[in-house]
Amino acid sequence: SQKIEQNSEALNIQEGKTATLTCNYTNYSPAYLQWYRQDPGRGPVFLLLIRENEKEKRKERLKVTFDTTLKQSLFHITASQPADSATYLCAFANRDDKIIFGKGTRLHILP
Amino acid sequence: EPEVTQTPSHQVTQMGQEVILRCVPISNHLYFYWYRQILGQKVEFLVSFYNNEISEKSEIFDDQFSVERPDGSNFTLKIRSTKLEDSAMYFCASSPRGVGPGANVLTFGAGSRLTVL
Repeated sequence: SQKIEQNSEALNIQEGKTATLTCNYTNYSPAYLQWYRQDPGRGPVFLLLIRENEKEKRKERLKVTFDTTLKQSLFHITASQPADSATYLCAFANRDDKIIFGKGTRLHILP
Repeated sequence: EPEVTQTPSHQVTQMGQEVILRCVPISNHLYFYWYRQILGQKVEFLVSFYNNEISEKSEIFDDQFSVERPDGSNFTLKIRSTKLEDSAMYFCASSPRGVGPGANVLTFGAGSRLTVL
């Protein structure tokens, strides 16, 4: 079955530095990957989408890469701020109209 | 900005009771979803719904669960006889389109926390 793996341990990053989160997937070749942010007790919020023919996508301080050979996506937050502290979820859609999520990585930006 | 609204925000029920969770998706969206998240665990797909029928469901979505779009705006999840393990946050989501090259970006509601005693 399709699997998404994210480092479920918390990631602590000093304010102002770049945070890099990893998403690996197996047993599937998605046409695109999505990244969402989830704050405690809230629903996920869509951030970025990257297609299989795109190497990199940027939105303000966010950058996503997609390596279909490694079956991996990296999510970067540059000039990180304490307000970026949240859980970040990687997701993709399989062929049957189902978007599945990784467990997410908790990011703490330390002031 | 359009949003998905869910009610109730929190419901406490006794084991064996029926529960209905309600959602109002974004008005021009065509695809509707329910996900659940047990505390500390990942967001799990339950069911997707399009054109007034279920398009995909997970193994979690057994005969105790049902979904309905009773009118042009509401989308409901019913759990017929709740179990302790149904305690979770239930998220409704909607999307303007399904899977395909145009992509399927989900807008989630704030969730309904269900506590089964």
